[in-house]
Amino acid sequence: DSGVTQTPKHLITATGQRVTLRCSPRSGDLSVYWYQQSLDQGLQFLIQYYNGEERAKGNILERFSAQQFPDLHSELNLSSLELGDSALYFCASSFQLGQGAVDTQYFGPGTRLTVL
Amino acid sequence: DQQVKQNSPSLSVQEGRISILNCDYTNSMFDYFLWYKKYPAEGPTFLISISSIKDKNEDGRFTVFLNKSAKHLSLHIVPSQPGDSAVYFCAASAFKRASGSRLTFGEGTQLTVNP
Repeated sequence: DSGVTQTPKHLITATGQRVTLRCSPRSGDLSVYWYQQSLDQGLQFLIQYYNGEERAKGNILERFSAQQFPDLHSELNLSSLELGDSALYFCASSFQLGQGAVDTQYFGPGTRLTVL
Repeated sequence: DQQVKQNSPSLSVQEGRISILNCDYTNSMFDYFLWYKKYPAEGPTFLISISSIKDKNEDGRFTVFLNKSAKHLSLHIVPSQPGDSAVYFCAASAFKRASGSRLTFGEGTQLTVNP
């Protein structure tokens, strides 16, 4: 158990709909990262938040957005869903951002999104 | 542009023998490397990491070697156990003080350890 929790575990919805995925980081971690793993691609970085602020963006579609709340949990919002959005969505967390230190990301169990 | 590559999609070894998983990267800005293990329907589990200032890091049965000149790293598992059967991902980051450290993943290698 990494200490990172994600809900829901599974989500089935229809095209055009909107869903929200939730992530709670490990206790004490300030950074939250979102990754997508689809069948034809590996794990792809989407977006990172640090202490409530967006820090880095990867290949995240404009239909997708995220935020990190004061209690440090994060939500990933996916709208106008398409069949190709079906994937596993992972959240990861790490402790610190700056001062030149490197840190390890710990992953949650993921949310499997199926768009029908 | 695949900056991190794991050229072997699968590897099969006998229990008790050594497993060697390989990873190549192209981005010379990468300065931190990690290996994750992943079982189906679970999130990646952190195994071991290495900073670019080192060439070897060991943790129990797991050793990671980094060859910066060749832009190559490898994970050695000795002795291999059936419970090690999983998909192994190599990941790399280029730490930027202002923007943290996103991970760039390889495609993964399915390791099967046969009893």
